[in-house]
Amino acid sequence: EDQVTQSPEALRLQEGESSSLNCSYTVSGLRGLFWYRQDPGKGPEFLFTLYSAGEEKEKERLKATLTKKESFLHITAPKPEDSATYLCAVRTKGSARQLTFGSGTQLTVLP
Amino acid sequence: NAGVTQTPKFRVLKTGQSMTLLCAQDMNHEYMYWYRQDPGMGLRLIHYSVGEGTTAKGEVPDGYNVSRLKKQNFLLGLESAAPSQTSVYFCASSYMNTEAFFGQGTRLTVV
Repeated sequence: EDQVTQSPEALRLQEGESSSLNCSYTVSGLRGLFWYRQDPGKGPEFLFTLYSAGEEKEKERLKATLTKKESFLHITAPKPEDSATYLCAVRTKGSARQLTFGSGTQLTVLP
Repeated sequence: NAGVTQTPKFRVLKTGQSMTLLCAQDMNHEYMYWYRQDPGMGLRLIHYSVGEGTTAKGEVPDGYNVSRLKKQNFLLGLESAAPSQTSVYFCASSYMNTEAFFGQGTRLTVV
């Protein structure tokens, strides 16, 4: 059975304190790993897609990386507006038509 | 270009009542999805559709039915609502097996 696990469940950072969120996966053939940001009361907002080990994507203070077993979302010098829940999701060889989500990391950046 | 629009945004039902949630997308996407999101459970797939006239079960389909009569619309029905169906429901769409784009959600309370 495909599994996606995110850690930590919650993370509190001071403004400017860089850190990383983890998304580990156990799947039968990865067909894409997706990162989303979700603000309270809103729907998930798409950030990145990664397809193969070694791939990296960047957007402002965020950088997503992918290995054969996990993905990291690196946040450099975060600001309070980066506070949100970050979700990862996968498409797999056996379920390419479905997106399977992890339970998310709730990030709080304190000013 | 509205993206994915869900109707209604909020609803309170009594146990045993029925209702239909409407999802509309204007991106000409083939795939559409219905998820529910509960605290600590992440996003769980209820049903999905890979094209007009086709639907398939996801992880938690019991108690729900769906229809995709038009490419741009995906309806989620609850025939006899139960308190366990209290949740936030999200619709999403994607161009085939790529990233999905989400609506703003429907907050449903069953009393």
